[in-house]
Amino acid sequence: AQSVTQLDSQVPVFEEAPVELRCNYSSSVSVYLFWYVQYPNQGLQLLLKYLSGSTLVKGINGFEAEFNKSQTSFHLRKPSVHISDTAEYFCAVSPVTGTASKLTFGTGTRLQVTL
Amino acid sequence: DAGVIQSPRHEVTEMGQEVTLRCKPISGHDYLFWYRQTMMRGLELLIYFNNNVPIDDSGMPEDRFSAKMPNASFSTLKIQPSEPRDSAVYFCASSKRSGGISYNEQFFGPGTRLTVL
Repeated sequence: AQSVTQLDSQVPVFEEAPVELRCNYSSSVSVYLFWYVQYPNQGLQLLLKYLSGSTLVKGINGFEAEFNKSQTSFHLRKPSVHISDTAEYFCAVSPVTGTASKLTFGTGTRLQVTL
Repeated sequence: DAGVIQSPRHEVTEMGQEVTLRCKPISGHDYLFWYRQTMMRGLELLIYFNNNVPIDDSGMPEDRFSAKMPNASFSTLKIQPSEPRDSAVYFCASSKRSGGISYNEQFFGPGTRLTVL
């Protein structure tokens, strides 16, 4: 079984400041890793994913994340946030083998960007 | 493409009533997932289908919950009888397996906000 921990339930940040949203996972098997974003009253959409290869992955809207296998982490970063980045962000994992499409989500981090 | 369609968007009902949530996946997608989102438990996978067949329903909380997928373009999640603790946002998602790719992005619908009084 897999589990995902997002330690920060809320992250307030000023516009144009950098931000990092933390994600740690636990799994007995290799996993794929994802970040999803949920805007108010909407469903989730994929921000970026790590399947293999380079541990630094870039996603939409200027976000990037780095996979660190030794620390079992997949932190999300953006060098300069915008008001429109205000949303809930979810980290998720999926086992590489077996039911690869089955996602386990973290509890989410609410990013609040202010002027 | 219209994306994943869910109806209704909001549902308010009284305890003991039957509730039916509906989902239309993206055309051509062969996986369909039902999730529940609450403040306390976050996002939970309830059940998923592959080619209309239920593959894993281990997340269904109890016998009051049931899900069906009679064809490739329609699925329902039914709660009978409903209880206040069922209040949550229910999401449907779909994905398409293609070739040898072992991960397939899930596309989420807008969700149904259920309130059981």
